[in-house]
Amino acid sequence: NAGVTQTPKFRILKIGQSMTLQCTQDMNHNYMYWYRQDPGMGLKLIYYSVGAGITDKGEVPNGYNVSRSTTEDFPLRLELAAPSQTSVYFCASSSRRRLNTGELFFGEGSRLTVL
Amino acid sequence: DQQVKQNSPSLSVQEGRISILNCDYTNSMFDYFLWYKKYPAEGPTFLISISSIKDKNEDGRFTVLNKSAKHLSLHIVPSQPGDSAVYFCAASPGANAGNMLTFGGGTRLMVKP
Repeated sequence: NAGVTQTPKFRILKIGQSMTLQCTQDMNHNYMYWYRQDPGMGLKLIYYSVGAGITDKGEVPNGYNVSRSTTEDFPLRLELAAPSQTSVYFCASSSRRRLNTGELFFGEGSRLTVL
Repeated sequence: DQQVKQNSPSLSVQEGRISILNCDYTNSMFDYFLWYKKYPAEGPTFLISISSIKDKNEDGRFTVLNKSAKHLSLHIVPSQPGDSAVYFCAASPGANAGNMLTFGGGTRLMVKP
């Protein structure tokens, strides 16, 4: 059981480049999330989805886009990379039952550096 | 403005002793609290949770206390070297808690053999 899988694990981008962080889960979870973690800071929610075709903004959505065409996949798109987007990105998922307890299942993270 | 604060960035404890990690919050709408544990190069994993109407929740060596206003703590007894990790406190306004998590900045726990 792979859980939540993120790719790539590491990436260096130049300012202005675009890229997509991939996230897939095999637990049939309806709820999926993208967080970013800056050094010394807590995780901040970028976007989340409550099911295929439905997405919503979190606390820090600017500069990012998401889509949810299937239950399994929740890619995060950076259109014009900026140094402020240098961070570690975590994808997470949850089931309806787990949602009420706040228990999320996280991927291993994707470290992005924008130079 | 950080609504969930973990004021100790790091904590060092001897193996076998108690580890106490603290968490303060400012938003009175929070009524559900969680602790996540994170090892290097891994994602956070859920550890334990508590609702505001309870003052204690235990799970093996881990206990979360909610006895003071806008303050909770995680106790690990006895501490083991494998507990060395970063611990994040998180809070939620309750319903659909997972959609509304606010995380603290984390405390790095080091348990020395």
